[in-house]
Amino acid sequence: GAVVSQHPSWVICKSGTSVKIECRSLDFQATTMFWYRQFPKQSLMLMATSNEGSKATYEQGVEKDKFLINHASLTLSTLTVTSAHPEDSSFYICSAGQGVDQPQHFGDGTRLSIL
Amino acid sequence: KQEVTQIPAALSVPEGENLVLNCSFTDSAIYNLQWFRQDPGKGLTSLLLIQSSQREQTSGRLNASLDKSSGRSTLYIAASQPGDSATYLCAVGYDKVIFGPGTSLSVIP
Repeated sequence: GAVVSQHPSWVICKSGTSVKIECRSLDFQATTMFWYRQFPKQSLMLMATSNEGSKATYEQGVEKDKFLINHASLTLSTLTVTSAHPEDSSFYICSAGQGVDQPQHFGDGTRLSIL
Repeated sequence: KQEVTQIPAALSVPEGENLVLNCSFTDSAIYNLQWFRQDPGKGLTSLLLIQSSQREQTSGRLNASLDKSSGRSTLYIAASQPGDSATYLCAVGYDKVIFGPGTSLSVIP
């Protein structure tokens, strides 16, 4: 089956640090990837849609200068949390698919803790 | 704007009971609907995917149905076990994938 690898799985860093999270589709080409954020005891909230070779589409209320998304190839999308602060601490998870009408395959998530 | 809701928010049942989880969505123009399981502190486990042209999907003790016209899906779990305890999320796929708030299930031994 389709496999999506997300790295790192856990990050702890100091306030002000920028953190990059990678999402890779290992055995298929992903034209579309989605980035989600999940706070404790809440559901997954869509942050942005990442399209290969073009700019990401951000959901309302998500700061695009804060959460930089790059989808430079059909197998890799990255999310960079710039100048992270404690309120950015959350569980971030990506998904990848071969089109919006195709099933999405999810990474295992990244737990980000900002001290 | 697509909105996804799930009922109930939480459910506690004795082991062995059959149960139904509900998912509703406001825009019926979807490509598919997926049910996921999430254990505390973990990622998502895909349970069942129903394409918009399908009415139901089955996997073991799980059966998911889809009524696109009414904007509803149900996840039926037969003979529940303590290991089924988790949060169950439905996700609707259209030009993006939107999740419902989840149902927290606890199966008591």
